Amino acid sequence: QQQVKQSPQSLIVQKGGISIINCAYENTAFDYFPWYQQFPGKGPALLIAIRPDVSEKKEGRFTISFNKSAKQFSLHIMDSQPGDSATYFCAGGDDKIIFGKGTRLHILP
Amino acid sequence: GAGVSQSPSNKVTEKGKDVELRCDPISGHTALYWYRQRLGQGLEFLIYFQGNSAPDKSGLPSDRFSAERTGESVSTLTIQRTQQEDSAVYLCASSLEWALANYGYTFGSGTRLTVV
Repeated sequence: QQQVKQSPQSLIVQKGGISIINCAYENTAFDYFPWYQQFPGKGPALLIAIRPDVSEKKEGRFTISFNKSAKQFSLHIMDSQPGDSATYFCAGGDDKIIFGKGTRLHILP
Repeated sequence: GAGVSQSPSNKVTEKGKDVELRCDPISGHTALYWYRQRLGQGLEFLIYFQGNSAPDKSGLPSDRFSAERTGESVSTLTIQRTQQEDSAVYLCASSLEWALANYGYTFGSGTRLTVV
């Protein structure tokens, strides 16, 4: 399968800080790049998504930055809160989505 | 229904037995996907159904795995002669094909399969 590489595997951030998760993709045919959030025992839920013709998308405290030439994109969580503690998956695809291996984020209270 | 429903939520089976996992997608969603999530790992694509088109089976790990979908409704994932490495959470998702880029998938809560 075409790969989506995600880093770091785990991340600890102080409350109020900025959480940053990075991803890189290989398949230039991908036209959709979502981020999913998953809490223990639950299925992943769509957090925010971007198309490759846009360099940045912001929704509340969550921002995706997209660099098409480098085939990289990242998620920034501003003013991180303990309730943001979860596993985050980046992904890319067209008719189906290929996921990264996930980042376990822990926000210290 | 309001969301994607999967059953059973938990399944324990003996090695070598066959299992069937069920997914009820959101009504009207034409696309249905199965993924596997091993403990602490990412989501591994298995199979994708879109309307009446031939399914994309490119992610099925072996011929012990198969899936069916009746029209645009229920799907069943079957694992024959289960092995311990099949232990994982099996996630189903659905979407409106035209809306994938805007709304993404909606996932169910998954079936946790344990092979003993």
